[in-house]
Amino acid sequence: EAGVAQSPRYKIIEKRQSVAFWCNPISGHATLYWYQQILGQGPKLLIQFQNNGVVDDSQLPKDRFSAERLKGVDSTLKIQPAKLEDSAVYLCASSLSLYERDEQYFGPGTRLTVT
Amino acid sequence: KQEVTQIPAALSVPEGENLVLNCSFTDSAIYNLQWFRQDPGKGLTSLLLIQSSQREQTSGRLNASLDKSSGRSTLYIAASQPGDSATYLCAVNSLSGYSTLTFGKGTMLLVSP
Repeated sequence: EAGVAQSPRYKIIEKRQSVAFWCNPISGHATLYWYQQILGQGPKLLIQFQNNGVVDDSQLPKDRFSAERLKGVDSTLKIQPAKLEDSAVYLCASSLSLYERDEQYFGPGTRLTVT
Repeated sequence: KQEVTQIPAALSVPEGENLVLNCSFTDSAIYNLQWFRQDPGKGLTSLLLIQSSQREQTSGRLNASLDKSSGRSTLYIAASQPGDSATYLCAVNSLSGYSTLTFGKGTMLLVSP
């Protein structure tokens, strides 16, 4: 069974530029999560989807971050414009069902460096 | 608001030692708790998931225990190997909210040959 796929793996941009990350969850997983992990910290949830609907985006900086999961499968997370403090690893995870609080499976992450 | 603390922050041991990693959480109203492993530059690999009704889970040389009432979990690694070197993260799925995992900062483990 294929795992969670993410691309790109690495990205370097200058501040005020925009960037987008892509995630493809495990087939059949209804719930998709985006986490931000700053160096030396544990991951922090940014947004979670159940199918193509947003369940929780309370910690998403909506003035610069946006995410979508239009067809209920893959998802895109965008930052525009980027700030230095956005340098982090962006992790995508998926699980079978939100309501059963199933085990979450993580992708390899995208390491973003903002200079 | 749930807070998760992991002690120690870093640990260095010689190969073959048995070791214990600690995780504590402030709100005992949890659904489950997961232990993850993270290798440098990589994503998270799930090691063990303990439901709130369980006391422990075992997988190979790993054993995780849960004491929900006291807000504690431990990850026991038997006969450590250099390949166990990684950062170990504890994450709590609270009853409140929408299946959000709250993570600790992790314990960085180095096992030397």
